[in-house]
Amino acid sequence: AQSVSQHNHHVILSEAASLELGCNYSYGGTVNLFWYVQYPGQHLQLLLKYFSGDPLVKGIKGFEAEFIKSKFSFNLRKPSVQWSDTAEYFCAVIPYNTDKLIFGTGTRLQVFP
Amino acid sequence: SAVISQKPSRDICQRGTSLTIQCQVDSQVTMMFWYRQQPGQSLTLIATANQGSEATYESGFVIDKFPISRPNLTFSTLTVSNMSPEDSSIYLCSVEDLAGISGNTIYFGEGSWLTVV
Repeated sequence: AQSVSQHNHHVILSEAASLELGCNYSYGGTVNLFWYVQYPGQHLQLLLKYFSGDPLVKGIKGFEAEFIKSKFSFNLRKPSVQWSDTAEYFCAVIPYNTDKLIFGTGTRLQVFP
Repeated sequence: SAVISQKPSRDICQRGTSLTIQCQVDSQVTMMFWYRQQPGQSLTLIATANQGSEATYESGFVIDKFPISRPNLTFSTLTVSNMSPEDSSIYLCSVEDLAGISGNTIYFGEGSWLTVV
């Protein structure tokens, strides 16, 4: 079945460590790709998005993601995490020829000082 | 981006009752969607709210349980009918913000947190 997969369900890091969260999708054709973040007790916020062009996209708060078409991947990265990055991170895809946003299962990130 | 307001933000509901959630957008949008986020889970699309016609439901969701209205381009409601504890979730309204021919972005309201007792 077509889906969005996030392999890391729970990631625990110390401050200043580097972060990479995996996201793979199984939809063919052109896709729009997103990362959303949900801080504890808060609503969903858009971190970054990819539609076309440079496959390395930069988002808010120092996050970036790289689209690798051959691997159907859109991994999220941050060189040095902070305690305030503790949150749930969701990868999402709008498949070709639809307007529906399909979410991955989410990755819970805990950053300890 | 569009500003999305949802009401109520939270409610505690009795088993067997129904509750209607309202979603108001500050600008006209073409696409509106309703999602559910069960405790500790990801977001699942319930339906696409179509203006002037019946909503389009995803697999596993039916109109009798989740009737949706979309009377105009800025407003939609979702009703959770005959609630049971399994319906305890955050229900989120989302809209598509057209960013031009290169793509679109979907934004979310703050959600309505329902607890069924």
